[in-house]
Amino acid sequence: GENVGLHLPTLSVQEGDNSIINCAYSNSASDYFIWYKQESGKGPQFIIDIRSNMDKRQGQRVTVLLNKTVKHLSLQIAATQPGDSAVYFCAENLTQGGSEKLVFGKGTKLTVNP
Amino acid sequence: NAGVMQNPRHLVRRRGQEARLRCSPMKGHSHVYWYRQLPEEGLKFMVYLQKENIIDESGMPKERFSAEFPKEGPSILRIQQVVRGDSAAYFCASSPRVAASTDTQYFGPGTRLTVL
Repeated sequence: GENVGLHLPTLSVQEGDNSIINCAYSNSASDYFIWYKQESGKGPQFIIDIRSNMDKRQGQRVTVLLNKTVKHLSLQIAATQPGDSAVYFCAENLTQGGSEKLVFGKGTKLTVNP
Repeated sequence: NAGVMQNPRHLVRRRGQEARLRCSPMKGHSHVYWYRQLPEEGLKFMVYLQKENIIDESGMPKERFSAEFPKEGPSILRIQQVVRGDSAAYFCASSPRVAASTDTQYFGPGTRLTVL
């Protein structure tokens, strides 16, 4: 089964509001997590990442929080804009026996209403 | 710096034909990953390759699917005797693999395969 899942499949917000997208992971040994944004018909676009030795990382309008105790990630988008409308995936970098792979959740579709 | 390139962007095949998908990693990246995405789902890992080596093919079906990353040229994902269930978007990602376990994978635009 999947190691990474998302609590909410859809999220609708008003332009200018803050958005929070949540994600749970199950592999406590994972030490690297990434958020991707995927617009319709396009490939996943890197947004922000965080390593397990951190609990918070900020980018431009985005913040990722990592709670290792409960194995939970969140992506916060400040002042959400229509251009933020997309599907957001968290991914866990799973390292095993010399290999590594990303394990994705199903995604949360964010809709920003003007 | 050009990103990950994939072609074709769209591919239509009839059942039983072969599909060949190509991926050129970002400049300076020597590690390539292939993922498959069904509609309304997340990406699923298929295979991880370095130049001339398959590192992990645990996500790839044992039959009909193969992948390579030759010394020269792009990585190729080949699907023989395609069936309707192979219809999906196939994404390639690359990374420099400078530091194990914390290298970011950057994705290409994908190839959308439709099997008639």
